[in-house]
Amino acid sequence: DVKVTQSSRYLVKRTGEKVFLECVQDMDHENMFWYRQDPGLGLRLIYFSYDVKMKEKGDIPEGYSVSREKKERFSLILESASTNQTSMYLCASGRTGLFTDTQYFGPGTRLTVL
Amino acid sequence: AQKITQTQPGMFVQEKEAVTLDCTYDTSDPSYGLFWYKQPSSGEMIFLIYQGSYDQQNATEGRYSLNFQKARKSANLVISASQLGDSAMYFCAMRDGGSNYKLTFGKGTLLTVNP
Repeated sequence: DVKVTQSSRYLVKRTGEKVFLECVQDMDHENMFWYRQDPGLGLRLIYFSYDVKMKEKGDIPEGYSVSREKKERFSLILESASTNQTSMYLCASGRTGLFTDTQYFGPGTRLTVL
Repeated sequence: AQKITQTQPGMFVQEKEAVTLDCTYDTSDPSYGLFWYKQPSSGEMIFLIYQGSYDQQNATEGRYSLNFQKARKSANLVISASQLGDSAMYFCAMRDGGSNYKLTFGKGTLLTVNP
């Protein structure tokens, strides 16, 4: 079974703190994704990575950065957390090449910024 | 422009009845794929079913089927014989040639199954 894990299920941080969200996948997938989920807005793509050290901005990259130093690990960084970044963050991974391939999701991190 | 539209924020269904969750999409690419995911209250996204734009038949996976109407650009999810465990958020998503590896998601429909 594909497994995508995220470092925390729940996280509480203060405004201005630097926040790291970690994601690890065990299926040797080339692609990894970070989404943000808010009620009524669905899932919105923040960043994705198609290879080690490669990244592309998604739809809402402002206020976020990412790091992918190893194939299995993709980190989302909030340089200076703000209250409007309180949200559910979902990591996903997937293969390159097959159009039909689904993405596999982690359990999510519910981040609260006070 | 919104690529995926789910017009039903919430739906209710009686246990053992069938329910249809609506999804319309917009793309000019002839090659695309449509996905449905289930998200229970625990938060994980579970892949349910896939339909390709060139598939001749509607996709089915157990109690899930996809009513694919290409000319109308709709890909509705049908859940037969609803169970209490089907209560969850359901998301429709699309990948087309222009979006490379990415999926575009709709805003979701919250399904509640009543006993």
